[in-house]
Amino acid sequence: AQSVAQPEDQVNVAEGNPLTVKCTYSVSGNPYLFWYVQYPNRGLQFLLKYITGDNLVKGSYGFEAEFNKSQTSFHLKKPSALVSDSALYFCAVRAAYSGGYQKVTFGTGTKLQVIP
Amino acid sequence: DVKVTQSSRYLVKRTGEKVFLECVQDMDHENMFWYRQDPGLGLRLIYFSYDVKMKEKGDIPEGYSVSREKKERFSLILESASTNQTSMYLCASSFAHIGTLNTDTQYFGPGTRLTVL
Repeated sequence: AQSVAQPEDQVNVAEGNPLTVKCTYSVSGNPYLFWYVQYPNRGLQFLLKYITGDNLVKGSYGFEAEFNKSQTSFHLKKPSALVSDSALYFCAVRAAYSGGYQKVTFGTGTKLQVIP
Repeated sequence: DVKVTQSSRYLVKRTGEKVFLECVQDMDHENMFWYRQDPGLGLRLIYFSYDVKMKEKGDIPEGYSVSREKKERFSLILESASTNQTSMYLCASSFAHIGTLNTDTQYFGPGTRLTVL
């Protein structure tokens, strides 16, 4: 069965330090991978996606993510955290098209707290 | 910019009431979704629609129904609300890949926080 694991419920990082939010996945065949961010009392906003090509994907607000096929991971990173990055982050996966509808599965979310 | 709007930000209903949650998108997206979000459970898909009058059950359809009479509008209906349906409800929409039903980036509404007493 298709699944996404975000092993940390919460990540704390000091402002200015690099941050990493972890995501591993399980899917049949090649994956399409996504990161979304949710600010308090808001809906989810798209950050970035991996479809194919370069394993390092750059997205909005200075975020990037690295696709690692052998480790089935898609960790979200940022070189220097801002207090305004504090939010809930969701990783999502679906199988690349192979006929029929491919469901998108979301992780349980990781709360990022950036400490001033 | 894609805009997905939901009819209410906060809603309080009583057990047994019929509840309608409305969602409208302005980007001519084929696909529309209803999720519920609960702490520790992430997002769970309730229903998915890939065209007018077309729908597919998601992971947790029990106790819910949906309606899509126009392409831009997707409604979630709780026929008889129960306390275990207290949750945040998120609507999303997306284009479908050409020739498929498949979804790329999803665009989310602000959510409706429903409390059933």
